[in-house]
Amino acid sequence: GAGVSQSPRYKVAKRGQDVALRCDPISGHVSLFWYQQALGQGPEFLTYFQNEAQLDKSGLPSDRFFAERPEGSVSTLKIQRTQQEDSAVYLCGAGTQETQYFGPGTRLLVL
Amino acid sequence: GENVEQHPSTLSVQEGDSAVIKCTYSDSASNYFPWYKQELGKGPQLIIDIRSNVGEKKDQRIAVTLNKTAKHFSLHITETQPEDSAVYFCAADLGYQKVTFGTGTKLQVIP
Repeated sequence: GAGVSQSPRYKVAKRGQDVALRCDPISGHVSLFWYQQALGQGPEFLTYFQNEAQLDKSGLPSDRFFAERPEGSVSTLKIQRTQQEDSAVYLCGAGTQETQYFGPGTRLLVL
Repeated sequence: GENVEQHPSTLSVQEGDSAVIKCTYSDSASNYFPWYKQELGKGPQLIIDIRSNVGEKKDQRIAVTLNKTAKHFSLHITETQPEDSAVYFCAADLGYQKVTFGTGTKLQVIP
C-alpha cells in the first residue's frame, strides 16, 4: 500500500526463537505504527512512532515485544522467545497527520 | 478506550446491487473514520475516509455517511463488481494515529 514495504513477508519460527520484522516506510512520512492481525480478525494496535520517538506502546502484549525506529525511518519489531500465540500477521503502516497507509504485512507462524 | 463494532460479518450481493456495511463507535472524541479494503494476503488499503465535521463523502461508487450524534457510520458501495469482493474494515481514530478497527465484513459479489 502506497510504498510501505515489509520484510520478510513470511517467517516460520520455532517456539522460543527470537524474530525481527522490518518495516520500510514511505520517505518523509513522520508517523509509523505497528498492528497485529490474528486470523479472521481486524488489526489491533501495537505501537506508534513519530519520527524516532515511540509515543505510544500501550498495545504491545508483553515485554517480549520491542519496537524501535532509531533514525526516524526504518523500524524493527522484535519478538523475543516467541510463543504460539504470537502467530499472526504483523502490519506496519506509515502516514501523515491525516492518512495512514499499510504495508503488505509479515505473516509469522510459531511452531 | 475506543470500541468499534461492525455489521454484518459476511455479506453476499449480486453483481450490480448495492452493499451497505455499518459501524458504531463508543468514544465521542473520535474524529477520523477510515475504511479499508483488505484482499487475501495483502495489507489493508484505504478506500475512503471521513472526518467528524462532515456528514457524507462520496468517491465514484463508494460513499460513507457519519452520524456523530448516534455515533455510527456506514459504507455504501453501489453497482458492485466482482473485484469488490474482499474484507472491509471500518475504523475510528481519536486523532493521534491510534486507530481502532472493527471486526471486518467479508463481502462477496456474485457474478
